[in-house]
Amino acid sequence: AQSVTQPDIHITVSEGASLELRCNYSYGATPYLFWYVQSPGQGLQLLLKYFSGDTLVQGIKGFEAEFKRSQSSFNLRKPSVHWSDAAEYFCAVGANTNAGKSTFGDGTTLTVKP
Amino acid sequence: DAGVTQSPTHLIKTRGQQVTLRCSPKSGHDTVSWYQQALGQGPQFIFQYYEEEERQRGNFPDRFSGHQFPNYSSELNVNALLLGDSALYLCASSPDMGGAEAFFGQGTRLTVV
Repeated sequence: AQSVTQPDIHITVSEGASLELRCNYSYGATPYLFWYVQSPGQGLQLLLKYFSGDTLVQGIKGFEAEFKRSQSSFNLRKPSVHWSDAAEYFCAVGANTNAGKSTFGDGTTLTVKP
Repeated sequence: DAGVTQSPTHLIKTRGQQVTLRCSPKSGHDTVSWYQQALGQGPQFIFQYYEEEERQRGNFPDRFSGHQFPNYSSELNVNALLLGDSALYLCASSPDMGGAEAFFGQGTRLTVV
């Protein structure tokens, strides 16, 4: 069975500091991996996705993520955090044949200090 | 493009009642998936509809049922509501069942009292 673990429930960083959110997955085949962001009371917005190819993927809003098969990880990074990045972040794994059916982690809440 | 739209945005129901939530997929998308997001948790897959049939189902009881219409819009029905059904219900659409990303709506916040 596939699963996603986001070890950090809550992270606080200062505005302008770098950010790394951790994600570990368990999946039997080649995974499709996603990072989503959710603002309070809102739906999910896709930040980036990995299907194959280059293991470093670029997304929207200056985010990037690196796929490491040997570590079963797909960590999200941003070099300089803005106050507007405060939100909840979800990592998800999906089958390569069905993007609509994904398994999500429980999320990491990001707080940005001024 | 209106994206994925869900209605209503908020809903309060009494335990034991039935509820219907609605979703219109993004233009050009024919696959609709439903998720339940309890407070403080990630979304959990309920089921997926394609060509008006339920194609995939997560670990949810039969009280949760759905429907997809010829125009690809979808409904989620929950019978005999429990307090634990209180959650944000998210609809996601994708252009097909293979490999493409899914787009999420804003969700319907269901409160069962």
